[in-house]
Order: sequence, then C-alpha cells, then structure tokens
Amino acid sequence: GNSVTQMEGPVTLSEEAFLTINCTYTATGYPSLFWYVQYPGEGLQLLLKATKADDKGSNKGFEATYRKETTSFHLEKGSVQVSDSAVYFCALSVTGGGNKLTFGTGTQLKVEL
Amino acid sequence: DAGVIQSPRHEVTEMGQEVTLRCKPISGHNSLFWYRQTMMRGLELLIYFNNNVPIDDSGMPEDRFSAKMPNASFSTLKIQPSEPRDSAVYFCASTANVGGTEAFFGQGTRLTVV
Repeated sequence: GNSVTQMEGPVTLSEEAFLTINCTYTATGYPSLFWYVQYPGEGLQLLLKATKADDKGSNKGFEATYRKETTSFHLEKGSVQVSDSAVYFCALSVTGGGNKLTFGTGTQLKVEL
Repeated sequence: DAGVIQSPRHEVTEMGQEVTLRCKPISGHNSLFWYRQTMMRGLELLIYFNNNVPIDDSGMPEDRFSAKMPNASFSTLKIQPSEPRDSAVYFCASTANVGGTEAFFGQGTRLTVV
C-alpha cells in the first residue's frame, strides 16, 4: 500500500534559521508528491509539488526535491519567518487512484523571534 | 471560482442528534474527499467519490456515518446519531481527475458534540 512518514514535531526555530522537515514514502507505481500547509483555523493549501523523479518543487522560499532513489521529499527553507508557523503535511497520490491523497501525520513548525 | 465551500463552519450539537455537513466542490472537479482531523488521530480520509460514485469508504468509522454525492456540485456527510467522540474538524476537498493535480480544501466544519 501507499504510506508517508514525516518527522515528528513540534519543531521550534528562531527566525532566519534553516528548516528541514523530512518526508519519506512508499508507493505502488509512480506517485506525485506534495507538501501542504495548514495555518491555524484554516484548511490545507498546497505549498509545492513534484510529479516525477528529480523534479524540484518550490514556492515562497520553500523547496523539495523528488528523490526516487531514497524515496524522499524533504522540505527545506533557508531562512524561516514567524509567518511560516503552521503545520506542514507531506502527501502523495498515485495516478489512477482518483488522485486519492495519502498524508503524513503533519509536522508543526513554530518560529520565534 | 470561490474554491471548495463547506457549511456550516461551526456546529455544536447534543449527543444523539443528527448532524449534516455540506460541501460544494470546485466546478469541473471529478473527485471529492471527506477528511476528519483530530489532535489524536491527525488527518483521516473518511470517503472519496469519483464522478459522484463512492470509490472507497473504508475510512468511515461506523454505520453512524454516511455520505452522499447526488450530483457533481454537492456532497453531504451525515452523522446519526452523533457522539462526543465525533467532535473534530471535517474537511472536504476536490480535485480534477488528472495525474499530479493538487487537491483543494475547504475551510472545514468544526463539529462539537456535547
């Protein structure tokens, strides 16, 4: 079956620190990979995605590279801001499955001044 | 497009009452998903529809839960009778049935059963 494993939170960083949130996956077939972000009191929204091996998704200073050899899709940002405080979800979908998303458990990020 | 629209945003009900949550997906999207989010269990997929047909309802916790999608622009999730452990945020999401396409989430319904 399909599954996503991401690092446990919460993660607390100082502003301008470097961020890495690890994500690994198992999937049948060739998945598309996603990072979603959830701000307090809101629904999930797409942060970035990659649809094939070696693709790099990027948005708002965040990046993640689809690594087929290590089945990973780690999220990185060079300098976090207080406004990045949120819960981050790694997810995958497999074509032909109705685009059903399989989510990780989420990682809470708190950025302090 | 206004995005995925869920109603109500908040619902407080007494144990034993029937609760109906509503969702309007983005026009043109073929797939619709219902998720439940709690602190203890995180984000759980309850059921999803493709072209209005339920494809996988294995995540529906009990017979008290039911979902329908009578047409491409409307879906409901019903809990009858409701119990305090059903308290959670329920999200609806929709996506086009094209590989690699992102899912768009509604803002959720926060359900409290007292």
